[in-house]
Amino acid sequence: KAGVTQTPRYLIKTRGQQVTLSCSPISGHRSVSWYQQTPGQGLQFLFEYFSETQRNKGNFPGRFSGRQFSNSRSEMNVSTLELGDSALYLCASSLGTAGEAQYFGPGTRLLVL
Amino acid sequence: LAKTTQPISMDSYEGQEVNITCSHNNIATNDYITWYQQFPSQGPRFIIQGYKTKVTNEVASLFIPADRKSSTLSLPRVSLSDTAVYYCLVGDRDNNNDMRFGAGTRLTVKP
Repeated sequence: KAGVTQTPRYLIKTRGQQVTLSCSPISGHRSVSWYQQTPGQGLQFLFEYFSETQRNKGNFPGRFSGRQFSNSRSEMNVSTLELGDSALYLCASSLGTAGEAQYFGPGTRLLVL
Repeated sequence: LAKTTQPISMDSYEGQEVNITCSHNNIATNDYITWYQQFPSQGPRFIIQGYKTKVTNEVASLFIPADRKSSTLSLPRVSLSDTAVYYCLVGDRDNNNDMRFGAGTRLTVKP
């Protein structure tokens, strides 16, 4: 079974721009979660989507948003990029039922200049 | 959400057994315990998960005492490739994907 895939793998943007990252979950997985990882803050939960609905949300500003499509693929968008948004963005998928482990993709490394 | 506390770093040698303990004093009845491994510039990889007592799979064992206020990840006979950051998470069964990663434990395996 193919793993979680994320595109693009690397991205360079400038301040003020916006960016859209894509995540394709493992086949059959209905839950997709997004995380931001930085050296200073570690791994931080952004949000989780299940059956096209946002089910959980972390403590990030409204510039960070996401959505999930009917095929469970998910996108996250960051508007008005700031230098501090430079990070590794990770997507994880799971079946979405209680107690299930999450399976992470390789991440998208975003650099904001 | 229950907070977890782990050692910041640990050193070991090839072939040794490594035990990493995680404290989660405020674990709730519905919470389960999950461990992940992360290599640099990669996403975390699920290692093992448990609710109580002992769980074993092909790569690790997870020991959970009766009070569930701590758990211990045991890696048998580590190799250099086990050098990574290990995260302990405690998750709510009702919000199983609202997970909080702590700082993790950086394990360094030496030859």
